[in-house]
Amino acid sequence: SAVISQKPSRDICQRGTSLTIQCQVDSQVTMMFWYRQQPGQSLTLIATANQGSEATYESGFVIDKFPISRPNLTFSTLTVSNMSPEDSSIYLCSITPGPMSSYNEQFFGPGTRLTVL
Amino acid sequence: EDKVVQSPLSLVVHEGDTVTLNCSYEVTNFRSLLWYKQEKKAPTFLFMLTSSGIEKKSGRLSSILDKKELFSILNITATQTGDSAVYLCAVKNYGGSQGNLIFGKGTKLSVKP
Repeated sequence: SAVISQKPSRDICQRGTSLTIQCQVDSQVTMMFWYRQQPGQSLTLIATANQGSEATYESGFVIDKFPISRPNLTFSTLTVSNMSPEDSSIYLCSITPGPMSSYNEQFFGPGTRLTVL
Repeated sequence: EDKVVQSPLSLVVHEGDTVTLNCSYEVTNFRSLLWYKQEKKAPTFLFMLTSSGIEKKSGRLSSILDKKELFSILNITATQTGDSAVYLCAVKNYGGSQGNLIFGKGTKLSVKP
């Protein structure tokens, strides 16, 4: 299966700043997604990163706060903008390696633990 | 509203015990059910189930889906301390985003030596 890496692994940031998280996959994948896991909570989908076009955001998430890029089929970035302590979470990149129409297994990257002071 | 409910929320067992984790769901247009093991940050994929009654096995872990009764179980036999983790159940449906897994809150399993 594809190997997913994320950078940074963890970071501590000041409120009002921004952090960009990178996700790299060792093979081309059809679908890439970004999830958030707040402390004590389960995973929530932020958006689908579309190659060559704007990301598709889930309800409650907006592009100004979480801009996403996907320049090719192996790489994506998520930026957490103008951070507040409520943004402290684990951010996870996720992929489905097969075509959109199939019953796809879904895999997760190692995650980025963000703490906002 | 689509939902996934896992039980128990936490469980403490001793090495060698067998455990059964439960996942029930109410979702529209069910597509598949996935189990993950989360130890620190990253959920590690265990199984994907799409059809009723077909058991998936991997070593000491096995899982089965009942689409009529809308639930799945994850069995772990001869538990080891390395099995200590949060086990997540998630459902994918045909509606909404392709990647939108609807997660349960997880079962925290602690295996004592």
